[in-house]
Amino acid sequence: KAGVTQTPRYLIKTRGQQVTLSCSPISGHRSVSWYQQTPGQGLQFLFEYFSETQRNKGNFPGRFSGRQFSNSRSEMNVSTLELGDSALYLCASSLGSEAGQNEQFFGPGTRLTVL
Amino acid sequence: GESVGLHLPTLSVQEGDNSIINCAYSNSASDYFIWYKQESGKGPQFIIDIRSNMDKRQGQRVTVLLNKTVKHLSLQIAATQPGDSAVYFCAEPLGGGATNKLIFGTGTLLAVQP
Repeated sequence: KAGVTQTPRYLIKTRGQQVTLSCSPISGHRSVSWYQQTPGQGLQFLFEYFSETQRNKGNFPGRFSGRQFSNSRSEMNVSTLELGDSALYLCASSLGSEAGQNEQFFGPGTRLTVL
Repeated sequence: GESVGLHLPTLSVQEGDNSIINCAYSNSASDYFIWYKQESGKGPQFIIDIRSNMDKRQGQRVTVLLNKTVKHLSLQIAATQPGDSAVYFCAEPLGGGATNKLIFGTGTLLAVQP
């Protein structure tokens, strides 16, 4: 079974630009969560999508947004990039059932560098 | 506010020794905890989880202990191997229930010396 895939793996942008990152979950998984990982703040939850709807949201500004498609693939977008947005962006998928916790499987991440 | 770089605690052990990685939590209502391993260049990988109705759970070479009295959990790795070198995170779902919104600890870097 293929794991979680994220594209692109590396990205370099300049301040003010916008970026879109993509995540393909494990087949059959309906929940996709996004995390930002930086040396300064560690791993921080961005948002979670389940059945094309945002189910949970972290404490990030509105410049960070996401969506999920009917095939459960998800994208996240960051507009008006700032230097502080440089980070590893991780996507995690899970079955997402309503009945209790589900193991989340992480992808390798997209390394975003903002110059 | 201004962010400060996290100083990752480091645990250095000899190959073959046992490792103990600790994690403290603040919410006494927390009912589910997970340990993740993150190797360089990879995303976090699930190791083991434990629910609050348990004090101990064992996996292959790993054991998680939960002390609800002092709000502390630990991950024990038996016979540590070079392949165990990674950053280890404890995590819990914020608000419990079915949420996938995980709150991660700062992590501990485990360095295994051959």
